[in-house]
Parts: sequence; C-alpha cells; structure tokens
Amino acid sequence: AQSVTQLDSHVSVSEGTPVLLRCNYSSSYSPSLFWYVQHPNKGLQLLLKYTSAATLVKGINGFEAEFKKSETSFHLTKPSAHMSDAAEYFCVVILNAGKSTFGDGTTLTVKP
Amino acid sequence: ETGVTQSPTHLIKTRGQQVTLRCSSQSGHNTVSWYQQALGQGPQFIFQYYREEENGRGNFPPRFSGLQFPNYSSELNVNALELDDSALYLCASTWDRGTEAFFGQGTRLTVV
Repeated sequence: AQSVTQLDSHVSVSEGTPVLLRCNYSSSYSPSLFWYVQHPNKGLQLLLKYTSAATLVKGINGFEAEFKKSETSFHLTKPSAHMSDAAEYFCVVILNAGKSTFGDGTTLTVKP
Repeated sequence: ETGVTQSPTHLIKTRGQQVTLRCSSQSGHNTVSWYQQALGQGPQFIFQYYREEENGRGNFPPRFSGLQFPNYSSELNVNALELDDSALYLCASTWDRGTEAFFGQGTRLTVV
C-alpha cells in the first residue's frame, strides 16, 4: 500500500522569505515522487519529480525537493517566495504507473 | 498549456442521471488517467487506460466506467449520479504508462 501525508494544510510566508512544504510518504517499494502545483481555476502543473536518481531534485520556478529515504520524506523548498507562488501544492507518490496517490494538498499564501 | 483538453468545462446534472466526460490526450501519449477532486481535497485516482485497456483502478464503484479510443482519447462515464459525485474531474495523459503526467484543466460537475 502507498500513502502520502502533507503535514500542513496551510502555510503562510512573507514575500522574499523561504518556503517549506512538508510531505511524508509510505510505500512498500521504491516510489516515484512528484510535486504538482494548482493555481485557482487552472489544471495541475508538474513542479518536479524524483525517480531514484539524484536525491536533491530541482524543479521549475526555483523550487527543489530532497528525497530522504530514512525519514520517508520529500519536502518542497524555495529560498525566496514570490507572490505568484500562492497556490495549492500536492505531493504525489506513484508506486506503479497504474495508480497514483495524492496528498490532501497544502495551500500556500504569500503576504506582501 | 499541456495539450490535454477536456470537455465540457462545466456541467450540471440531476441526481440519478448519467454523464459522459471527454478527454483528448497530448499528442503521442497513449495512456490516460482519470481523477476526481472534491472541493478542498486532493485528486483521487479513478482508473487508467493504456492502449484501450483498463490498466489500474482506484476505489470507485462500477458505475464509474471508461473507454479509450484508437486515437487514445478517452471518456469517463458515470451512471446513477449522486450528490457526492459533484467534483472537478481531471484527465492526465502520459506516454507508455510513464510517470510524468500532463493534466487537463478539468470538468467541473455539479449534481443537484
């Protein structure tokens, strides 16, 4: 079985400060892990993915995530938040291509 | 834009009715997955189609069914609609059951 837990339902940061969105996963096998972003009334956009290569993964718009097997975590970070980063973020685990499991999402608010 | 298109964008149906949602996959993609995203929740995997065959299913009742056509476009059919079926339905396409999925904008279904 596989599952994903996003530890914070809401995160609020000031523009220019670091962003940390936390994700823990549970999987019986080596998972593929993803972060997606969903802006209001928009579809899901892939930010980055981990598929058993480098443990530090760089994505679009300055985001990156580190896969830590010992902690079963895949936290998303960005050094400096921008107003346009305000959105819903989803951590996803895919055990096989037939089924993917999404977390419940984290709403990121960026204050001016 | 991802190249994945869904129709219609919005739909209102009455409880007990049937609905068909459509998805055109990105050019060259032969795998389509469907998700249900209820308000305030992460997307839930419904099923996946690969080369016109079902290739995995989530925890949804049989009244949720699908098709994939030779051009790899897909339909999601829901019979005997219930109020709880109100949600955003997302379609995602990949190449050869690959893990990097491209999402459409979704169809917002409201059951009254």
